[in-house]
Amino acid sequence: GAVVSQHPSRVICKSGTSVKIECRSLDFQATTMFWYRQFPKKSLMLMATSNEGSKATYEQGVEKDKFLINHASLTLSTLTVTSAHPEDSSFYICSARRTSGRAGGTDTQYFGPGTRLTVL
Amino acid sequence: GQQLNQSPQSMFIQEGEDVSMNCTSSSIFNTWLWYKQDPGEGPVLLIALYKAGELTSNGRLTAQFGITRKDSFLNISASIPSDVGIYFCAGRRTNDYKLSFGAGTTVTVRA
Repeated sequence: GAVVSQHPSRVICKSGTSVKIECRSLDFQATTMFWYRQFPKKSLMLMATSNEGSKATYEQGVEKDKFLINHASLTLSTLTVTSAHPEDSSFYICSARRTSGRAGGTDTQYFGPGTRLTVL
Repeated sequence: GQQLNQSPQSMFIQEGEDVSMNCTSSSIFNTWLWYKQDPGEGPVLLIALYKAGELTSNGRLTAQFGITRKDSFLNISASIPSDVGIYFCAGRRTNDYKLSFGAGTTVTVRA
């Protein structure tokens, strides 16, 4: 299967600081990546869609100025949590969309290993 | 995305038993995906289904894309301790690049 990496895997920061999380597709190019947030024992909650070379699309209720997304290349998307507060503590997971490139073909998302953010 | 109806929510099974879980939706999907998530890790893709009626196996795992395109099931045969984890179904509707997720099925295997 396709490989998606995330860095860092775990980060602890003080309240008010900003944290950047990187998501990389290692063996395929991804024009679209996604950022999810997951609470304990819950399913994945889509935060935003990251599009290479254009602005991210945020889901309703997600503050775009709080969660900055940059998708500068076909293999890298970054999520920056600005002025983090304890309520931002969570498990953040990215995914990369891989398609066959033809109409009616395959369209799959491969997930990164996740980043555990703890804000003190 | 829209939440899928995934059941059961959890199950305790004896090692060697077969496991079955399913997902249903009120909408038609053209892709069904099954993932497994271990604690502290990201979801790992188990099986991808792209055609109605498709039955696909991956080792001891078998999944089917329902012919109505509104449901899918995943079977695990002869469960082993490493099958422990949370299994998520996900579906993608036509002309929608986002995935909808089920709430997950937590599997615990008794040795």
